[in-house]
Amino acid sequence: EDKVVQSPLSLVVHEGDTVTLNCSYEVTNFRSLLWYKQEKKAPTFLFMLTSSGIEKKSGRLSSILDKKELFSILNITATQTGDSAVYLCAGYNYGQNFVFGPGTRLSVLP
Amino acid sequence: DSGVTQTPKHLITATGQRVTLRCSPRSGDLSVYWYQQSLDQGLQFLIQYYNGEERAKGNILERFSAQQFPDLHSELNLSSLELGDSALYFCASSVDRELDTIYFGEGSWLTVV
Repeated sequence: EDKVVQSPLSLVVHEGDTVTLNCSYEVTNFRSLLWYKQEKKAPTFLFMLTSSGIEKKSGRLSSILDKKELFSILNITATQTGDSAVYLCAGYNYGQNFVFGPGTRLSVLP
Repeated sequence: DSGVTQTPKHLITATGQRVTLRCSPRSGDLSVYWYQQSLDQGLQFLIQYYNGEERAKGNILERFSAQQFPDLHSELNLSSLELGDSALYFCASSVDRELDTIYFGEGSWLTVV
């Protein structure tokens, strides 16, 4: 059965800290890995990673995929209170199915 | 705004009842996905439709059913509701092409009392 595991499940940091969120996956016919940010309601898309070793960046956020070890990390530098959210990782396979992990709840304190 | 529209936003109903949740995908998107998110639970995939046909099925209960209509909007029907069905139900859509992603609606909050 396909599964996605995220760690830690919960994280509390202070503004300015750097955090690393982990995602490991076992997805049959894996195509890509996606990261979403969920604040109050709908998850919003952050990154889609299909190739190993190529870092994707968006401002203070960056992510990389390791297809050999079947994991991805999401880094957030110089965290701000607005980064407080649940970060979801999802594996996407060629069957057009998205398998989501449980999420990492990040709380950034002022 | 993702372009995916879900109605109603909030719904409170009694056990044993039946409700219908509606989703309009982004313009041009052919695939619709339904997810359930309970408190402290991750997103649970329920079902996917592509251009009117069921493509993939996840952990969807027999009491639940869905369909996608010719105009590509989708409905999720939940019947014989139980307290445990209280959750946030998300609809998402995608164009369904290479290297695509899915875009979520705001969700429908269902509370069963």
